[in-house]
Amino acid sequence: AQRVTQPEKLLSVFKGAPVELKCNYSYSGSPELFWYVQYSRQRLQLLLRHISRESIKGFTADLNKGETSFHLKKPFAQEEDSAMYYCALYKAAGNKLTFGGGTRVLVKP
Amino acid sequence: KAGVTQTPRYLIKTRGQQVTLSCSPISGHRSVSWYQQTPGQGLQFLFEYFSETQRNKGNFPGRFSGRQFSNSRSEMNVSTLELGDSALYLCASSLERGGFTGELFFGEGSRLTVL
Repeated sequence: AQRVTQPEKLLSVFKGAPVELKCNYSYSGSPELFWYVQYSRQRLQLLLRHISRESIKGFTADLNKGETSFHLKKPFAQEEDSAMYYCALYKAAGNKLTFGGGTRVLVKP
Repeated sequence: KAGVTQTPRYLIKTRGQQVTLSCSPISGHRSVSWYQQTPGQGLQFLFEYFSETQRNKGNFPGRFSGRQFSNSRSEMNVSTLELGDSALYLCASSLERGGFTGELFFGEGSRLTVL
């Protein structure tokens, strides 16, 4: 069975400091992984997907199949990065996303 | 382009009752998924519909059911409500053209409270 684990429920960092959100997964096939974000009073939305290897709002995420991880990183956190972040694993045949428990990021001024 | 619309936004029911939630996807999106969000269990997949067919179902009891209409609008129904069904129910739609891109567009959710 597929599973996504986000070990930190809360990350508190100062503005300008680096931030790293951990995500580990278990999946027997070839994984497709995503990060979703929910800002205060906004809808849950896609932040980035591993397959496109893109940087969005300064965030990057690298898929490490050996460590079964997909950690999200940003070198200099901004106050507007304060949000709830979810790591998600995609399973084909039915658009099913398995979400991690989420990490709340608080960026202090 | 209008986003995913869910109705009602809030509702209160008592144990044993049933409830129907509605979701209108983004125009042109044919896939609609439903998720249950609770503080304890997080986001859990309920089911997904595409072209009026259920393609995938999560590990929920048979009291949870859904359907999709020809215009891609979807409804989910929960019968014989239990206290543990209190949750935020999220609907999401996606555009499948050449395969799934991983981007789900979520609604604001329907918050159900069971007393």
